[in-house]
Amino acid sequence: NAGVTQTPKFRVLKTGQSMTLLCAQDMNHEYMYWYRQDPGMGLRLIHYSVGEGTTAKGEVPDGYNVSRLKKQNFLLGLESAAPSQTSVYFCASISGTANQETQYFGPGTRLLVL
Amino acid sequence: AQKVTQAQTEISVVEKEDVTLDCVYETRDTTYYLFWYKQPPSGELVFLIRRNSFDEQNEISGRYSWNFQKSTSSFNFTITASQVVDSAVYFCALNRMNRDDKIIFGKGTRLHILP
Repeated sequence: NAGVTQTPKFRVLKTGQSMTLLCAQDMNHEYMYWYRQDPGMGLRLIHYSVGEGTTAKGEVPDGYNVSRLKKQNFLLGLESAAPSQTSVYFCASISGTANQETQYFGPGTRLLVL
Repeated sequence: AQKVTQAQTEISVVEKEDVTLDCVYETRDTTYYLFWYKQPPSGELVFLIRRNSFDEQNEISGRYSWNFQKSTSSFNFTITASQVVDSAVYFCALNRMNRDDKIIFGKGTRLHILP
């Protein structure tokens, strides 16, 4: 049981490049989330998903897209990276709203956009 | 709208002192969850506690305790006899029970425990 894993752990992009961050969980959780963490800003929700095939916008969705084609995977895409997207990205999952004991967080992905 | 305020940006205390981290929340809902997370220097997020709005009992777990007061919309976290390993950023968070799947985080309090 690996919990929540994120790929890659670190990436450097040039402005305008695209990339996809992968979040995978092996706990059969329904809900998955993508957050970004910036100094002094706490965690801000980018997008989330309440089940396979569904996605919804969070607080700061602009510049990002997501997909949840398989229940265990939640992908975060940057189509045209900007320096403002330099951040640490965390993925999280929970089993469901009714039994929301905790969010399990991945280890984070550090992204630097030059 | 929901909001979580952690007014203390950074706190420094000497080891073995007690320290309280403040958390004030805003929500129009009557049912909700409150959370505390720890983020040590290594960067991972560690779940500490979840409290639902029905239960105002204070909770103690070892050196950690939490004081939930609905009357003041506060969910404060106290570390007793602090240790250097307690140095971390601590986040308070809020979620509307069974209605909304988003968890709203405060900006965090950076705690330094000085040896």
